[in-house]
Amino acid sequence: EVQLVESGGGLVQPGRSLKLSCAASGFTFSDYNMAWVRQAPTKGLEWVASISYGGSNTHYGDSVKGRFTISRDNAKSTLYLQMDSLRSEDTATYYCARQRDWYFDFWGPGTMVTVSS
Amino acid sequence: DIQMTQSPASLSASLGETVTIECLASEDIYSNLAWYQQKPGKSPQLLIYYANSLNDGVPSRFSGSGSGTQYSLKINSLQSEDVSIYFCQQNYDSPYTFGAGTKLELK
Repeated sequence: EVQLVESGGGLVQPGRSLKLSCAASGFTFSDYNMAWVRQAPTKGLEWVASISYGGSNTHYGDSVKGRFTISRDNAKSTLYLQMDSLRSEDTATYYCARQRDWYFDFWGPGTMVTVSS
Repeated sequence: DIQMTQSPASLSASLGETVTIECLASEDIYSNLAWYQQKPGKSPQLLIYYANSLNDGVPSRFSGSGSGTQYSLKINSLQSEDVSIYFCQQNYDSPYTFGAGTKLELK
């Protein structure tokens, strides 16, 4: 059974950093591209970033480009999202998702990030 | 960026009814369109990909159609467990954008 479990969310002040993790199991992690997608409270979905199966190619949404970094450790079957220079508009639930051709076939339960002073 | 416009924003229907949700892309996305279901308090789940391909385990009462800029999700014989928010997403070009969602409730 495919499982994705995010961790690392919490309350953080504007301008500070936070690193999210996503532990994957139930499939060969190194065979799949992976992504982060977020959802602000009572809002829609926004693609944040994607990384290729080997980790060599990354892509970012315009709102996070230059501030967020996606990475992965295939030996640990873990996906990461380093979030720097956080803003109030980054407040959202962050979902880890398995990616197939730029759509997302499995999602984790999400981890909440609140950016507030 | 490709804009995805979903309609209606909300929908109320009776058990057993057939409902249709529309998604309009701001440019041709060549059937690179996915539909997701998000139940209250849960993460989204993939229903349909490439406009009309049913994901594994999804009931056959769900179907997708469309081409070019216009796409639709149809739910036949509405069940109580279908109460959810439904999102479309284009996977044709970056940034990979979603519609604003359609909230489906029971009448």
